[in-house]
Amino acid sequence: GNSVTQMEGPVTLSEEAFLTINCTYTATGYPSLFWYVQYPGEGLQLLLKATKADDKGSNKGFEATYRKETTSFHLEKGSVQVSDSAVYFCALSDEGDNYGQNFVFGPGTRLSVLP
Amino acid sequence: DAGVTQSPTHLIKTRGQQVTLRCSPKSGHDTVSWYQQALGQGPQFIFQYYEEEERQRGNFPDRFSGHQFPNYSSELNVNALLLGDSALYLCASSLPGGLWEQYFGPGTRLTVT
Repeated sequence: GNSVTQMEGPVTLSEEAFLTINCTYTATGYPSLFWYVQYPGEGLQLLLKATKADDKGSNKGFEATYRKETTSFHLEKGSVQVSDSAVYFCALSDEGDNYGQNFVFGPGTRLSVLP
Repeated sequence: DAGVTQSPTHLIKTRGQQVTLRCSPKSGHDTVSWYQQALGQGPQFIFQYYEEEERQRGNFPDRFSGHQFPNYSSELNVNALLLGDSALYLCASSLPGGLWEQYFGPGTRLTVT
């Protein structure tokens, strides 16, 4: 079955540091890939997405490129801020047989950014 | 415009009991998905409803069932509760044709004692 693996946390960085959170997936077919973020005390929010190979999703300074050859979708940001402290989830979806989509989330990576 | 709403916020039940959780999707959304999120883990997909039918289902036993109403709201029912069912239950809705752009509700925290 489909699965998502992401780097273990927590990740602690100083403000303005470069961020990479690794994500790899296993899937049959051609899934869509996502990063979701969960800020403290808030619900899950879509951060960015990519729907086909070599697509780059970007939002709020975060980027991730859909790499089919390495089955990866690593999240990067050039300069993190304290406000980026949150839990980040990598996820994939693919089409099921009866319309609708099957979603699989990774375990999440907690990021703490220190001033 | 209200986002996805869920009720109740918190719930405490005893092992063996049954529970019903409710979700109202974001305005204009017709597809509702349910997830179980155990503490410190990622959400696990339970099932997805569209046009009042269960369209996809994750790896959850038949004790987990659902329903979607004509106004697109949805219920999640869990029978014969186990201690391991304690989790945050999330509802997500999406636009027609935009299944991958899900909007999540705040969740219902279920504790089974």
